[in-house]
Amino acid sequence: DTAVSQTPKYLVTQMGNDKSIKCEQNLGHDTMYWYKQDSKKFLKIMFSYNNKELIINETVPNRFSPKSPDKAHLNLHINSLELGDSAVYFCASSQVGQGAFLGEAFFGQGTRLTVV
Amino acid sequence: QKEVEQNSGPLSVPEGAIASLNCTYSDRVSQSFFWYRQYSGKSPELIMSIYSNGDKEDGRFTAQLNKASQYVSLLIRDSQPSDSATYLCAVNEKNNNAGNMLTFGGGTRLMVKP
Repeated sequence: DTAVSQTPKYLVTQMGNDKSIKCEQNLGHDTMYWYKQDSKKFLKIMFSYNNKELIINETVPNRFSPKSPDKAHLNLHINSLELGDSAVYFCASSQVGQGAFLGEAFFGQGTRLTVV
Repeated sequence: QKEVEQNSGPLSVPEGAIASLNCTYSDRVSQSFFWYRQYSGKSPELIMSIYSNGDKEDGRFTAQLNKASQYVSLLIRDSQPSDSATYLCAVNEKNNNAGNMLTFGGGTRLMVKP
């Protein structure tokens, strides 16, 4: 049973289109994230979200927006796609709280987005 | 700006040798440190976490943390070809408002040759 699942695994689309990537976690975690991994394999945080607050990496264009219908889901919407948006997008989740395990994140399998 | 630095490699070691992976970070208030392994085309997988100065051992893996030097390392003993992957160092950038946002290094590619 997959802990963090995201769909689709591959997404090829044309410039200017709007697309969404879905993410679901069944770990009962209270915080979910979106990361972008570019061609150089650098993994960068885009958003951190729990049911109380959304934290946005200031470098993320406002064409990107997370949508959370409930605690177990965090979808990523991208408007007006550009060539530079091509990357692998990872959803992740963790349990925020006290104790020694702050920050452990569990990742989905990734969505390879190709903008042509 | 908080940064996590790693040598991109590749680091090539013979099978059975010890692989040593290093990471430095810039934020002195960082609290938690993690090593993730990522196989090509796969998602990052947590293999070690460390929170206090010193060594932490788990099987063939040992994580070492020196907060004074802002340095964390990962040792892999008896390296196997299956250990060939990219190893990502991650640091907890705790945000007081919501969540814990991990800052990742660029990763070190490890190649274990039979």
